[in-house]
Amino acid sequence: DQQVKQNSPSLSVQEGRISILNCDYTNSMFDYFLWYKKYPAEGPTFLISISSIKDKNEDGRFTVFLNKSAKHLSLHIVPSQPGDSAVYFCAATITGTASKLTFGTGTRLQVTL
Amino acid sequence: DAGITQSPRHKVTETGTPVTLRCHQTENHRYMYWYRQDPGHGLRLIHYSYGVKDTDKGEVSDGYSVSRSKTEDFLLTLESATSSQTSVYFCAISSDRGLLGTDTQYFGPGTRLTVL
Repeated sequence: DQQVKQNSPSLSVQEGRISILNCDYTNSMFDYFLWYKKYPAEGPTFLISISSIKDKNEDGRFTVFLNKSAKHLSLHIVPSQPGDSAVYFCAATITGTASKLTFGTGTRLQVTL
Repeated sequence: DAGITQSPRHKVTETGTPVTLRCHQTENHRYMYWYRQDPGHGLRLIHYSYGVKDTDKGEVSDGYSVSRSKTEDFLLTLESATSSQTSVYFCAISSDRGLLGTDTQYFGPGTRLTVL
């Protein structure tokens, strides 16, 4: 049973516009969420995270929103750039469990010129 | 970038042969992890280690074993490789703070394993 879901396998956005990537989770014990970005033939790289005590975290062009009641989080990228084209993974964990991550299946973002 | 290397980066092997993948870190992090990435599944945890000689199973541990004899090295062994173990394998490290909070995991470059 997939506890972390990314229901959009792909997303195409024009350069300069906003990219919104979505993630849903089913395990209410999750209390820390992360987004990773992955280029082909490379390992995932950490992008941004959010604790369940917050509903928003911002880092430059990247903002993550958390809606605990809906068990939903989203990653906003503004403005989108061609270098943002990659696969984005949402991940979740429970504090105190050795940081073991449960990943979603990923969303491939393509930023077009 | 976190100092994590994986070897080999690519390997082709035959069904039934043993395979060992190595992860090496220079960050002195306590926690190390092995994940596999497959289409339609994202990344799934195979095994993890919370210290030298301390390991535990993850979500998809069947057919895999691990060992950690030194802080910097974490080995993943497929005792008898099967075609279903064809995948990309990623090692990750974390300093984790237990109940004080979750620390970010940093990933290695991956090993592409093909079992024929």
